[in-house]
Amino acid sequence: DTGVSQDPRHKITKRGQNVTFRCDPISEHNRLYWYRQTLGQGPEFLTYFQNEAQLEKSRLLSDRFSAERPKGSFSTLEIQRTEQGDSAMYLCASSDGRAGRPNGYTFGSGTRLTVV
Amino acid sequence: GQQVMQIPQYQHVQEGEDFTTYCNSSTTLSNIQWYKQRPGGHPVFLIQLVKSGEVKKQKRLTFQFGEAKKNSSLHITATQTTDVGTYFCAGNGFQKLVFGTGTRLLVSP
Repeated sequence: DTGVSQDPRHKITKRGQNVTFRCDPISEHNRLYWYRQTLGQGPEFLTYFQNEAQLEKSRLLSDRFSAERPKGSFSTLEIQRTEQGDSAMYLCASSDGRAGRPNGYTFGSGTRLTVV
Repeated sequence: GQQVMQIPQYQHVQEGEDFTTYCNSSTTLSNIQWYKQRPGGHPVFLIQLVKSGEVKKQKRLTFQFGEAKKNSSLHITATQTTDVGTYFCAGNGFQKLVFGTGTRLLVSP
């Protein structure tokens, strides 16, 4: 297992279009997180899955954002009707939520979204 | 909601000088984690502190968790150019991490 993979690495889209990002976590990790990061800021929490269940979604997230994790493996994050303010780096991370296991996050390299 | 602040926002040091970043949470934390993000990279996990007053060392890096579990610090002794990057603390909110604002470190040779 080579870590957390994200696809695509870069996405340029026109305002109003829909985009979908994919994240493949470390296979032994049951927890998966999506964060958003803009230049000069820390990662901002978007949503979190434990196995296939979406347990929390940030109140900052509008209804245009949706995430899934079918079968508790890979996850997708979809943004509908993109706006220029959605331009950011979208980071996926996974962690091992089992008791007694180190629970530091392993981040993917991110998907950089530019909305023009 | 929970907020995690870091100071300073930015620091530029000469190679060999020491560096410290401070992290403060608005709420008591169950644990705190530290991450390093190189320019153009993604955050990389460094360490987790769990106990009140805990101190951990990794080579030239010393991490401390406050007695009240609301603050933490990272100290780098004798910085090297490889230490360049942004250091984030992250407080464990309910089942997720809340990241601090970060301290960007520049090291001149």
